[in-house]
Amino acid sequence: DAGVIQSPRHEVTEMGQEVTLRCKPISGHNSLFWYRQTMMRGLELLIYFNNNVPIDDSGMPEDRFSAKMPNASFSTLKIQPSEPRDSAVYFCASSGDSYEAFFGQGTRLTVV
Amino acid sequence: AQSVTQLDSQVPVFEEAPVELRCNYSSSVSVYLFWYVQYPNQGLQLLLKYLSGSTLVKGINGFEAEFNKSQTSFHLRKPSVHISDTAEYFCAVSDLSGGSYIPTFGRGTSLIVHP
Repeated sequence: DAGVIQSPRHEVTEMGQEVTLRCKPISGHNSLFWYRQTMMRGLELLIYFNNNVPIDDSGMPEDRFSAKMPNASFSTLKIQPSEPRDSAVYFCASSGDSYEAFFGQGTRLTVV
Repeated sequence: AQSVTQLDSQVPVFEEAPVELRCNYSSSVSVYLFWYVQYPNQGLQLLLKYLSGSTLVKGINGFEAEFNKSQTSFHLRKPSVHISDTAEYFCAVSDLSGGSYIPTFGRGTSLIVHP
C-alpha cells in the first residue's frame, strides 16, 4: 500500500479564498483523523471519522472549517474563507485493527 | 479525555551518548501507548507501541520504551544515539471513543544530537 496520501503538499492562498485539502486513507482502515500542527499548539485533533461517519468534530476551530468523507477512500477538509491564522501543517491519518495511526506527509498551508 | 505530558521540549545530547525522553499520561483503566518520530517536512512515523504484555517494548532504530503503570509513564530510551536520530519525538495515548481508538499526542520533544 502507498500509505496515506495527502494533496496538495503545499498550498499558498490569499486571505478570504476557499482551501480544500484532500486525503486518501490506507485501504481497509475504518478510522480517519484530521490533525493540525502549529508551533504554538502542537498537534490538535480537528475531527475524526469511523466508517465514513463523522464522530467528533469538537476540535474544529470555527464554522469556517468543514470536513467530509463521502466514501471509504477519500476525505476532504475545507476552509472557507481562509485566514492567515489558519496557516499550519494539516495531517490526515488513518487506522485499522492495529490501533496505531498512519500519517500522511501533510499539507503545509500558508494564507497570506 | 486522555492527556499526555512530555516533560522536556528539547533534549540536546552528544553522538553515541544515551538518551531518555520522558512521557507521562493521565491514568485510565486501559491504555495503548505509542512513540512517533517526525523528521523535518515529513509526517509522523511509528517508533514503537505498547498494547499489553511485557512492559519493555522494543522499536525501530534501536529505541525502546518501558511502560510503568504505577507511575503512569512511558519513557523512551536509546543507549547510543546517532546524528540521524535528530528529530521531533511524540508520545501518544489512545483510548476508545465512538468505535475508534483516538490518539492524543504530547507537545513533542526535539532531540538534537551533536557530533
